[in-house]
Amino acid sequence: QKEVEQDPGPLSVPEGAIVSLNCTYSNSAFQYFMWYRQYSRKGPELLMYTYSSGNKEDGRFTAQVDKSSKYISLFIRDSQPSDSATYLCAMIDTGNQFYFGTGTSLTVIP
Amino acid sequence: DTGVSQDPRHKITKRGQNVTFRCDPISEHNRLYWYRQTLGQGPEFLTYFQNEAQLEKSRLLSDRFSAERPKGSFSTLEIQRTEQGDSAMYLCASSLSNLRSGELFFGEGSRLTVL
Repeated sequence: QKEVEQDPGPLSVPEGAIVSLNCTYSNSAFQYFMWYRQYSRKGPELLMYTYSSGNKEDGRFTAQVDKSSKYISLFIRDSQPSDSATYLCAMIDTGNQFYFGTGTSLTVIP
Repeated sequence: DTGVSQDPRHKITKRGQNVTFRCDPISEHNRLYWYRQTLGQGPEFLTYFQNEAQLEKSRLLSDRFSAERPKGSFSTLEIQRTEQGDSAMYLCASSLSNLRSGELFFGEGSRLTVL
């Protein structure tokens, strides 16, 4: 079993839809949780970061962490064609090591 | 441009040749990471440096791979006797030692194609 599981998609939604992206993990040592966005042929860029259970909002993006269920989510409201990218969840363990999900490919159709 | 830069962006080589990639991190970042990413997969950790010291290497890093970070500034990743299975995007990232911000800054990657 991989330490971080992420549905690869692809996910295709119409413009304006709410998008839900999810990851599960098995390692209780993970303490920081991030979402990265990666456009085609580019390096990943950090979107959201959180270290506690609960919700964190930034504009149209909301990151949710449920440590008891070992489950994290990223919600995108009012999705735009420019949101079309691959979204990677990532986690850091107590040894400062990063673990990435496989990424979910999202296409927002105008 | 003060981001992480990688060179070359794309390298096409024949099997058996050696290739070298260079990464220039953000200047004040003392940690530098190398990852490998294949199509449809997330980045896989290869190795990382704290200043000039190479602190950890993944089992993915066979003896054909070597990385250096002389003087704790830029880093090079060399692959000797390349194989077709080495074809991938090689990503460099840098950060401060304190990762509480989760801010790992990635370069745009060096894409390797082994024919």
